[in-house]
Amino acid sequence: RKEVEQDPGPFNVPEGATVAFNCTYSNSASQSFFWYRQDCRKEPKLLMSVYSSGNEDGRFTAQLNRASQYISLLIRDSKLSDSATYLCVVNPSSSGSARQLTFGSGTQLTVLP
Amino acid sequence: DAMVIQNPRYQVTQFGKPVTLSCSQTLNHNVMYWYQQKSSQAPKLLFHYYDKDFNNEADTPDNFQSRRPNTSFCFLDIRSPGLGDAAMYLCATSRDWRVSHEQYFGPGTRLTVT
Repeated sequence: RKEVEQDPGPFNVPEGATVAFNCTYSNSASQSFFWYRQDCRKEPKLLMSVYSSGNEDGRFTAQLNRASQYISLLIRDSKLSDSATYLCVVNPSSSGSARQLTFGSGTQLTVLP
Repeated sequence: DAMVIQNPRYQVTQFGKPVTLSCSQTLNHNVMYWYQQKSSQAPKLLFHYYDKDFNNEADTPDNFQSRRPNTSFCFLDIRSPGLGDAAMYLCATSRDWRVSHEQYFGPGTRLTVT
């Protein structure tokens, strides 16, 4: 089983739609979680961290479910500019001190006019 | 603006011809990482430095080496590139994982091996 698994998509949605991505992780002791966005042939950029209580940043909402070991990202009112690959990222250390992050393979989103 | 810079952005090398990719940062972060990313795949960590402390991933081929002469710069050396080494190489930094695990990426170097 992969450490971080995502549905690769692609998700093709019309402008204005709401879309949700899920990600599962295998290490129950993982402490830090992130969503990164990667545009085609560009570098990943941090979209948002994911906190236990869930957090929202404008049209984006991230949630963490530790019991089921999954993380979600909800995008409301999709814009054309949201088209990208969304990477689920986990710090696998139980102590939170691991030096590295584990990346999912990403979910591709295309927002259609 | 503080940032992570990679040079060159595109590199073409011949099979077996050594190549060096460079990364510099103005963020004054302690940790620097090198990742390899192939099409439609997750970034794969090759190695990282915490200050001068070098950490190699177990499955990183010996063909890949790295140097960090100072806090700001880090180099990736590929001693004998093979066709399978064609990929995007991403440099990333983070301040200190005891403070935050967020990583900041440079724009990447796309390597072509002919």
